[in-house]
Amino acid sequence: QLQLQESGPGLVKPSETLSLTCTVSGGFISSSSYYWGWIRQPPGKGLEWIGSIYYTGSTYSNPSLKSRVTISVDTSKSQFSLRLSSLTAADTAVYYCARQTPTAGNSWGQGTLVTVSS
Amino acid sequence: QTVVTQEPSFSVSPGGAVTLTCGLNSGSVSTNYYPSWYQQTPGQAPRTLIYSTNTRSSGVPDRFSGSILGNRAALTITGAQADDESDYYCVLYMPGGIWVFGGGTKLTVL
Repeated sequence: QLQLQESGPGLVKPSETLSLTCTVSGGFISSSSYYWGWIRQPPGKGLEWIGSIYYTGSTYSNPSLKSRVTISVDTSKSQFSLRLSSLTAADTAVYYCARQTPTAGNSWGQGTLVTVSS
Repeated sequence: QTVVTQEPSFSVSPGGAVTLTCGLNSGSVSTNYYPSWYQQTPGQAPRTLIYSTNTRSSGVPDRFSGSILGNRAALTITGAQADDESDYYCVLYMPGGIWVFGGGTKLTVL
């Protein structure tokens, strides 16, 4: 059964860059037709798509975050990663990784809380 | 900017039926956007209910169904139960590999 697990710092300082990693088990990260994505949820608010990487290596990101988002994949470690730069308090959120496909919906990680504070 | 709209809140009586909808500011929602629906309770990761408009995810009871109603995607819950009280999110897959989440609907069962 597919499992995704986020890892990374729980606290980062304003203006710094957040780095999160998602480790995939029970499935092949290089499988065709899947996107591997990041979604976040600020406290008490709704879900927001951050960006995704397709199995081809193409990356896509939310236009509102595009200039700050980098997503990469390491197939040898079965991991994909998010880098979000120039952090502010508004980036405080639970960050989820997910396998996404239009024809089968999302499989979600459990989420990790990231707080941006000095 | 693409905006996906959902009712902010809805209530349903136990045993009753409710239809939540998902619209698009720039036009009609169609099957081409592969609408999907997710259920989330506080402190938990979202759970996939429906994908590709009307396909139930594994283990989801048939009380949940998806459809297109007019120009919107819809999630219908029949025979509502207390543990259906959750937040429900619609997601559309847009051209160019873009995913857009709706703002969510808070469903109360009372």
